[in-house]
Parts: sequence; C-alpha cells; structure tokens
Amino acid sequence: DQQVKQNSPSLSVQEGRISILNCDYTNSMFDYFLWYKKYPAEGPTFLISISSIKDKNEDGRFTVFLNKSAKHLSLHIVPSQPGDSAVYFCAASARWSNDYKLSFGAGTTVTVRA
Amino acid sequence: DAGVTQSPTHLIKTRGQQVTLRCSPKSGHDTVSWYQQALGQGPQFIFQYYEEEERQRGNFPDRFSGHQFPNYSSELNVNALLLGDSALYLCASTMDRVNEQYFGPGTRLTVT
Repeated sequence: DQQVKQNSPSLSVQEGRISILNCDYTNSMFDYFLWYKKYPAEGPTFLISISSIKDKNEDGRFTVFLNKSAKHLSLHIVPSQPGDSAVYFCAASARWSNDYKLSFGAGTTVTVRA
Repeated sequence: DAGVTQSPTHLIKTRGQQVTLRCSPKSGHDTVSWYQQALGQGPQFIFQYYEEEERQRGNFPDRFSGHQFPNYSSELNVNALLLGDSALYLCASTMDRVNEQYFGPGTRLTVT
C-alpha cells in the first residue's frame, strides 16, 4: 500500500520560472516530511524538510508547504535552474510513533529547459 | 568530512547466489538504514540498525539480513538471490532521534 504518492511522474519548466512539485499522503501518523533530489548514478540528496507542526519552511530557492487537513505537501523551486533537473522524491516519517523508516513516493522527474 | 560510502558500486550475481553489500555511515552518525530502489520507484525500507541491533524491519523476506559493527558500519546480506532482487541498494545514515537521513551513492545489483 503506497502511503506517499507523487501523481505527476514528470514536470518540464522553463529556466527562471517556478517549479511546483506535489505530494499526497494517506497515513495520518506521519509527522515529518522531507524532499530529496536524485541525479542519475547518485544517491538521493536531502533538500528540505518540514515538521507537521508547521505549514511552511523556506531555504533559499526551495519552499515546502504542508496542508495537514488535505494530507498534501508541495515543493516550490524559484527560480528554476538547469542544475535542478533531477528526480525529486517526497518522503515521510512517523517518528513520534517510533516508526523510524522513511516512506517514499515514486518520484517526479523535473526537466528545466533553457 | 566523508559522507556515506557504499561498496561495491556494481555487482552481477547469478540466481541462487548470496551477496554482501557494505556501508560506512557519515561521520558522527550512529544509525544505518537500508533501502531497495527498483527502476521507476521510490526507495523501499528494508531495515534499520541502531546500537548493533535491528531496530525496525520493512516488508522483506528473511533472505535479507544485516549487521551493524561497533564502528557503526553495516552490511546487508541477501541469500538465495532472485531475479526480482535486481535493484539499487541504498544505505542511509543519521543520528538517533534525527529525522533527516543521508544517503550513499548505492550499489547496483544485477541478478541474472
């Protein structure tokens, strides 16, 4: 049962514009959410995270928004750069429930066009 | 500061064989998790080791086993390999009670 879903397998955006990646989850016990970026032949790289007690977290060009009532989060990248072309994974954990694993979505491939 | 390292990078095995993958965590990290990533999917949790004990296990058969050493490094062993075990195996490390896990480059296992 896939508890974290990324329904858009791919996203193409022009350089300088905003990239918006979406993620939905079904497990109400999730209390921490993370975004990872993955280049080919490399492991996932941690980008940004958010606790369930917040609704927004910002780090440079990356902002994550959390809507707990909708069980939805999104990652905004502004402005998009060619180096942002990669696969982006949404992940969630339920640490307060002593669940230590990260549950991942299937990923969204972002292509930034020059 | 070295990040998470894994060896080998690539591995080709035959059905029925056994394989051992190795991981050294990021400096200062004491917790190691293993994930399997099949093509086109997100990483799937196999198990996590803390204080040399398996603390949590995902939905993987007993053919998958592991170990953590006193220096926090870890091994993943897979017995009786199946074609479906072909995947990228990722090791991730963290400090206990920290949510963010840091991943190594992975080991690409091909079973023929």
